[in-house]
Amino acid sequence: DQQVKQNSPSLSVQEGRISILNCDYTNSMFDYFLWYKKYPAEGPTFLISISSIKDKNEDGRFTVFLNKSAKHLSLHIVPSQPGDSAVYFCAAPSSNTGKLIFGQGTTLQVKP
Amino acid sequence: NAGVTQTPKFQVLKTGQSMTLQCAQDMNHNSMYWYRQDPGMGLRLIYYSASEGTTDKGEVPNGYNVSRLNKREFSLRLESAAPSQTSVYFCASSEMIAGGYYSYNEQFFGPGTRLTVL
Repeated sequence: DQQVKQNSPSLSVQEGRISILNCDYTNSMFDYFLWYKKYPAEGPTFLISISSIKDKNEDGRFTVFLNKSAKHLSLHIVPSQPGDSAVYFCAAPSSNTGKLIFGQGTTLQVKP
Repeated sequence: NAGVTQTPKFQVLKTGQSMTLQCAQDMNHNSMYWYRQDPGMGLRLIYYSASEGTTDKGEVPNGYNVSRLNKREFSLRLESAAPSQTSVYFCASSEMIAGGYYSYNEQFFGPGTRLTVL
């Protein structure tokens, strides 16, 4: 049972345009979400997070939106840059042990 | 500050061989984790250690064992490697942040070990 899903394996956008990466979840008890970014041959690094008490969190070019009724979150990157080309994972803590459940990942390619 | 370090970076094993993947963190974190990453599967938790002296199974523990040697080090052992264990393995550490129904944390990841089992 995939509790966190990223249904788009890949996304390609032009430099300067908006990138929108989507994530769906099934467990209504999830109350915190994280996005990680991963470059080839490196470990994932934390990018941005959002608590369920908010519907938006912004950090520079990155904004995460949360729609609790739809159990959906999205990561917006504006403007997209070639250096943003990476795999993006959304994740949610599954219990009070801090375990994270990750989605399958979306590979973003930003073309110059 | 090295963060999370993993050794080796690459390894090729034959079916049935054993090996131990090493992980160490210098951030004084209580919790440590082992994940595997496979194409189309995201990151799946193998084992985790919420604190020194404790270990628990994750989503895909079969074929693996772990040891939390001390607060800094958390090793993953494959006793008898199988081709299905060909993967990229990541170690992570975090400090728990209590809040809400679930505690949450920002996990810090090592660079990974690429393992091939022939």
